[in-house]
Formats: sequence, C-alpha cells, structure tokens
Amino acid sequence: KQEVTQIPAALSVPEGENLVLNCSFTDSAIYNLQWFRQDPGKGLTSLLLIQSSQREQTSGRLNASLDKSSGRSTLYIAASQPGDSATYLCAGSSGTYKYIFGTGTRLKVLA
Amino acid sequence: GAGVSQSPRYKVAKRGQDVALRCDPISGHVSLFWYQQALGQGPEFLTYFQNEAQLDKSGLPSDRFFAERPEGSVSTLKIQRTQQEDSAVYLCASSLGFTAGGAETQYFGPGTRLLVL
Repeated sequence: KQEVTQIPAALSVPEGENLVLNCSFTDSAIYNLQWFRQDPGKGLTSLLLIQSSQREQTSGRLNASLDKSSGRSTLYIAASQPGDSATYLCAGSSGTYKYIFGTGTRLKVLA
Repeated sequence: GAGVSQSPRYKVAKRGQDVALRCDPISGHVSLFWYQQALGQGPEFLTYFQNEAQLDKSGLPSDRFFAERPEGSVSTLKIQRTQQEDSAVYLCASSLGFTAGGAETQYFGPGTRLLVL
C-alpha cells in the first residue's frame, strides 16, 4: 500500500528565509504529483502539478521537483512571507486519477 | 460558478442519524471526487465520478456511505446511521476530466465539517 511521508511535520521560520519541504513515497512508481496548500478551515489549493513527462515545475517563488527513481519530491519556497503560512500537502498518483496524500507540513512564517 | 462549493459547511449529527452532503463542482468539469480528511491527516480518496458514472467507489469506508451524481453535475454524499468515527471533513474536488492518466489539477471545495455526537 502506498504511503506518503512529509518532513518536517511542522516548521516555523522568520520571514525571508528559503525553505525546503520534503515528500517521499514508499512506492516510487509515481506518475503525477501535486503540491497543495491548505489554510485553516479551508479546502486545498493546487500549487504545482508535475506530470509524467516532467521532472519539475515552477510558479513564482515556488519550485517543485520529483525524483521518480527514489519516489521523492521537494517543494522549494523562496523568500518566505507571512502569507505563506499554511499546511502544505503533497499527493501522488500512479497513473490514474487516484491521488494518495501525505499528512502535510504545517508552515508558519513569522513577520 | 467561480469554484467548487459545498453545503452545508458544518453539520452536527446525533449518532444514528442520516446526513447528506452536497457538492457543486465547477461548471463543465467532467470529473468529481470525494475525499475524507480526519483531523491532522491528509485527505483520503472515497469515490470518483466521470459525468454521472461512478467509476470508483473503492475508498468508501462501509456500505453506510453512498454517493451519487445523477445528472453529471451536482453530487451528494450520503452517510446512513452515522457513527462517531465518521466525524471528519468531507472534501469535494472537480477537474476537467479530459486528460488521461490523472494529470489534471483538481480544484477543491471548502469542505463540510461533520461532527457526530
């Protein structure tokens, strides 16, 4: 059964720091991967989608990469801001619509 | 509409009651998903629709859970004889549904927080 681990579980940093959030899958056969953010009491907002033919995606200050040989993904956040405070979730699929989610990294960026 | 909407946002039920949770996906989205998110956990897949067809219900925890999407747009998740372990946030998501292999962004609603007493 596919399991997803996210490290660290929680992170508190001062504003302006560059961050790395990690995600790993027990089964490295990940076809597509998404990173989401979830604000308290809200649904999920998709940040980046890495499709099967891709290895990384960038959007603004965010960069996500996927190493398919190891089943590991990294979300890089540059120049963090207080508005980045949220829970970040990674989710992978093995080629179908069914995504398996990690438990998330709770990020707090201090002003 | 502008996004996925869900109602009610909060629901308190007594153990044994039936509940119905509604999802309005983004207009024109073919694919619709239901997830269950327990406190402090990531969402877990419950079921998947392509238009009105329920193609996968492998994540439904028991036969007390039932989902439908009769006209291929609005979907309802029904839980019969609710139990305390059903307490969770129920999230609905939709996607365009035209890309093979699941490589599509899923758009999530705000969720329905269910508390069973």
